[in-house]
Amino acid sequence: DQQVKQNSPSLSVQEGRISILNCDYTNSMFDYFLWYKKYPAEGPTFLISISSIKDKNEDGRFTVFLNKSAKHLSLHIVPSQPGDSAVYFCAALFPNTDKLIFGTGTRLQVFP
Amino acid sequence: NAGVMQNPRHLVRRRGQEARLRCSPMKGHSHVYWYRQLPEEGLKFMVYLQKENIIDESGMPKERFSAEFPKEGPSILRIQQVVRGDSAAYFCASSEGRQTDTQYFGPGTRLTVL
Repeated sequence: DQQVKQNSPSLSVQEGRISILNCDYTNSMFDYFLWYKKYPAEGPTFLISISSIKDKNEDGRFTVFLNKSAKHLSLHIVPSQPGDSAVYFCAALFPNTDKLIFGTGTRLQVFP
Repeated sequence: NAGVMQNPRHLVRRRGQEARLRCSPMKGHSHVYWYRQLPEEGLKFMVYLQKENIIDESGMPKERFSAEFPKEGPSILRIQQVVRGDSAAYFCASSEGRQTDTQYFGPGTRLTVL
């Protein structure tokens, strides 16, 4: 039972354009969400997070939007750069625990 | 401030052998988490430990797997009598505190079982 879903396994975007990565979740009790970026043969690197009391959080080129009613969040990267090419994982903090539930990831490729 | 360290980075074992994976958390972090990533899948939570205590092991297989985080030294994930299905990347993360404190990940140990 996949509680955090990233339905797009891959995304290709031109440099300078916006990248939008999507994530859906099924458990309405999730109240904290994170995005991680992962390069091959490396561990995930924390990018940005959002609490359910907010609907938007911004950090430089990265913005995360949360739509609680739709159980949907998205990561926007503007402008996209070739160095952003990686696998992006959405994760939710399981209620009343310290464990992260990860999606299956979206591979972003930014081409010149 | 050094990040989370894991060793070895690559480990090859034959079926039936034991695998020991080590994780040193970031300085000042007392919370350690282990995750496993099977090919083409996301990371799956295995266990959460604090010094000398297992807090949540709901993701650990019932047999052959154990974890510890002693008072001194790194956290150890131990897999006894490995099978081919144990081949995966094992990631350790650490955090300063609980709940919404960010978990920082190590580079992972890639276990291959022949």
